[in-house]
Amino acid sequence: AQTVTQSQPEMSVQEAETVTLSCTYDTSESNYYLFWYKQPPSRQMILVIRQEAYKQQNATENRFSVNFQKAAKSFSLKISDSQLGDTAMYFCAFMSQGAQKLVFGQGTRLTINP
Amino acid sequence: GAGVSQSPSNKVTEKGKDVELRCDPISGHTALYWYRQRLGQGLEFLIYFQGNSAPDKSGLPSDRFSAERTGESVSTLTIQRTQQEDSAVYLCASSLWTDLPDTQYFGPGTRLTVL
Repeated sequence: AQTVTQSQPEMSVQEAETVTLSCTYDTSESNYYLFWYKQPPSRQMILVIRQEAYKQQNATENRFSVNFQKAAKSFSLKISDSQLGDTAMYFCAFMSQGAQKLVFGQGTRLTINP
Repeated sequence: GAGVSQSPSNKVTEKGKDVELRCDPISGHTALYWYRQRLGQGLEFLIYFQGNSAPDKSGLPSDRFSAERTGESVSTLTIQRTQQEDSAVYLCASSLWTDLPDTQYFGPGTRLTVL
């Protein structure tokens, strides 16, 4: 069974700083998909960014980018120029190719301070 | 358009009672998912529907849990004889059914508290 590990329960940075959230996963598959979701206090999960394992290029979405290291089974999220609205829980998630369910990590609570 | 909606937003019940949680997916989304999120934890997969069928029920924790979907639209998650360990936020998501992994769009969840 696949597992996802987020080793940082909490992080806190100042507004405008860059922050990196860590995620590692365990799988024997070669094709799969990885996601970062944001969960603000409203509880609604919002997709931040996704990465297909067969793509070597790291995904980027505006201020959000990932560092995908397939051999190391690592998938970190970098948030540049952090904003107060980035304060939320961040979850890393894994999906097998051909499957439909997401396997989530335990989450990292990120606080952006003014 | 409207997003995924769930009702009720909060539910408090007594141990041993049955509860029903409702999910209205985004219109046109053929896939629907249920997840459970215990306090301070990540999400656990419960079940998903493709149309009105449930190809994967592997995450349902016990036979007290069941779910159905009708009209390829609304879904109901039912928990019978609730226990205190059932207390959690129950999140529903929906997606278009494509060959690629779909983006799952989540609702705001139902917070269930079993006293």
